[in-house]
Amino acid sequence: QQQVKQSPQSLIVQKGGISIINCAYENTAFDYFPWYQQFPGKGPALLIAIRPDVSEKKEGRFTISFNKSAKQFSLHIMDSQPGDSATYFCAAPRAGAGSYQLTFGKGTKLSVIP
Amino acid sequence: DTGVSQDPRHKITKRGQNVTFRCDPISEHNRLYWYRQTLGQGPEFLTYFQNEAQLEKSRLLSDRFSAERPKGSFSTLEIQRTEQGDSAMYLCASSLGSLRGTSGRADTQYFGPGTRLTVL
Repeated sequence: QQQVKQSPQSLIVQKGGISIINCAYENTAFDYFPWYQQFPGKGPALLIAIRPDVSEKKEGRFTISFNKSAKQFSLHIMDSQPGDSATYFCAAPRAGAGSYQLTFGKGTKLSVIP
Repeated sequence: DTGVSQDPRHKITKRGQNVTFRCDPISEHNRLYWYRQTLGQGPEFLTYFQNEAQLEKSRLLSDRFSAERPKGSFSTLEIQRTEQGDSAMYLCASSLGSLRGTSGRADTQYFGPGTRLTVL
């Protein structure tokens, strides 16, 4: 059973600061690592994802860094805003016989305080 | 709205009753997934369809659970004889995947808003 370990469980950051969330995975057949953002009562929304051809991907204030040898990837949120307050999940695919199910971390609850 | 939709958004039922949820994926997406999410946890995989074929089921999916995708479009998830432990958010996701065996790349899954089930 593949596991994805996510840390920290919760994070409080001041407005304008940098939020950093880390994930470690065991094994995956495909190098594809998405991050999802979830607000209370809503479904997860894809935030940003990285594939193996790059070690870093940036979209606006959000950056994924990927270290294949260490089997780790992280999300950096620059200039964090109160509207970023949500739960963030990292995920990794477990390729089975025709399935591309995602295994999720347990989530990080981010609170950005003014 | 061209995203994944789910119905109902909330369902309250008494223990022992049957419930059915519906998911409408993004129209051109051939893959559809069901996940379950309990409070404070990440989503957990339940089952997966490619077109109308159910190709994988998690061990979490007991024989009280059944899912269908009859025409390769919308899907239903039925829970029979509900138990209090079934209380959770049931999430549907869809993706556009290439044919099996022709790609080694995982595709992007888009989630719906979920159905919150409360079993009393």
